[in-house]
Amino acid sequence: SQTIHQWPATLVQPVGSPLSLECTVEGTSNPNLYWYRQAAGRGLQLLFYSVGIGQISSEVPQNLSASRPQDRQFILSSKKLLLSDSGFYLCAWSSTGTDNYGYTFGSGTRLTVV
Amino acid sequence: LAKTTQPISMDSYEGQEVNITCSHNNIATNDYITWYQQFPSQGPRFIIQGYKTKVTNEVASLFIPADRKSSTLSLPRVSLSDTAVYYCLVGLSPNTGGFKTIFGAGTRLFVKA
Repeated sequence: SQTIHQWPATLVQPVGSPLSLECTVEGTSNPNLYWYRQAAGRGLQLLFYSVGIGQISSEVPQNLSASRPQDRQFILSSKKLLLSDSGFYLCAWSSTGTDNYGYTFGSGTRLTVV
Repeated sequence: LAKTTQPISMDSYEGQEVNITCSHNNIATNDYITWYQQFPSQGPRFIIQGYKTKVTNEVASLFIPADRKSSTLSLPRVSLSDTAVYYCLVGLSPNTGGFKTIFGAGTRLFVKA
């Protein structure tokens, strides 16, 4: 069965520090991968999506970047965090197969920038 | 991209049926309708997906009228554990190349004892 791993679960970082959040998917190949951010009490905002290795599309101009160095690995990064980068970050994947039924999300990373 | 409108919150009691309606007036021909459930500090979980008429699975039913401009998620006999935020999404199903479905603010369902 397919599983998605996301870590760390929580993170407290000072303003100006770098960020690296990692997400990996198991049990499938060539998944579509996504990074979402959720502010407290709000809906999910799509940040990046990827349809293949090295292929990244950005939805919102921001202080963040994403990379997909391997088929089932998706990384969210920042060189210098801002206070406004705080939030709940979720990685998700979807299949390109005909039996796809939507997105599967990871357990999320709660990022607090102080 | 089709925008969705849902009630901000709903209250219910254990054992009741809950219906959450989502409006999506500018839904496109190829758009699917998908509902997700999210508990605090967890990622959303897929509940049900449909294109038209009625879809039913082991946890919910989805009713879609002929014009597809709205949809209703029906949760039979809710329990306290159904307290969560429910999101209605409209967009191309990911397996047909749709990657930009929009999550709105969702509907906060609170189930009381």
